Amino acid sequence: DAGVIQSPRHEVTEMGQEVTLRCKPISGHNSLFWYRQTMMRGLELLIYFNNNVPIDDSGMPEDRFSAKMPNASFSTLKIQPSEPRDSAVYFCASSLGPHTEAFFGQGTRLTVV
Amino acid sequence: GENVEQHPSTLSVQEGDSAVIKCTYSDSASNYFPWYKQELGKRPQLIIDIRSNVGEKKDQRIAVTLNKTAKHFSLHITETQPEDSAVYFCAALLGTALIFGKGTTLSVSS
Repeated sequence: DAGVIQSPRHEVTEMGQEVTLRCKPISGHNSLFWYRQTMMRGLELLIYFNNNVPIDDSGMPEDRFSAKMPNASFSTLKIQPSEPRDSAVYFCASSLGPHTEAFFGQGTRLTVV
Repeated sequence: GENVEQHPSTLSVQEGDSAVIKCTYSDSASNYFPWYKQELGKRPQLIIDIRSNVGEKKDQRIAVTLNKTAKHFSLHITETQPEDSAVYFCAALLGTALIFGKGTTLSVSS
C-alpha cells in the first residue's frame, strides 16, 4: 500500500477563494482524521470519521470549514472562503480503528495570501 | 473540553544524555497512548505506544511509562543521538478521537 495519500502537497491561494484538500486513506482502514498543524496550536483535530460517518466535528474552526467522506477511499476538506489565518499544514491520517496506529499522509501546506 | 498537556515545549540535551517528556490527560477513560516523532518537513510517525493494561513498555532506547491514577505518561529516550532531534508528540485516545499534545522540540547536540 502507498500509505495515506494527500493532494495537493502545496496550495497557494488568494483570500476569499475556495480551497479543497483531498485524502485517500489506507485501504481497509475504518477511521479517518483531519488535523491542522501550526506553530502556535500544534496538531489540532478538526474532524474524524468512522466507517465514512462523521463522528465529531467539534474541532472545525467555523462554518467556513466542511469535510466529507463519500466513500471508504476518499475524503475532502473544504474551506470557503479562505482567510490568511487558515494558512497551515493540513494532515489526513487513517487507522484500523481506536487503539491502533494512525498513519499520516504527507500533508498539504496551505498558504492563503 | 478533553485535552492533553505536554511538557516541556523545548528540550536541549548533550549526545548520550537521557531525555524525558511528560504528558497529562483529562479523560480517565482513556486507554491508548501513542507517541509520534516528526522530523522537519515530514509527517508524524509512531515510535511507541502503550495501552492502559501495562505500566511500562520499552523498545531499545525508548521507553514509555503510564500512571493511570495520576493520568500522566512519559517518554524516556536514553543515550540520545543527534538523529533523535525532532518534534515529539504525545497523544491520548479520548473517546474515539486521537488528541495530541502541543509537541516537544528535542535538540541533541554532539
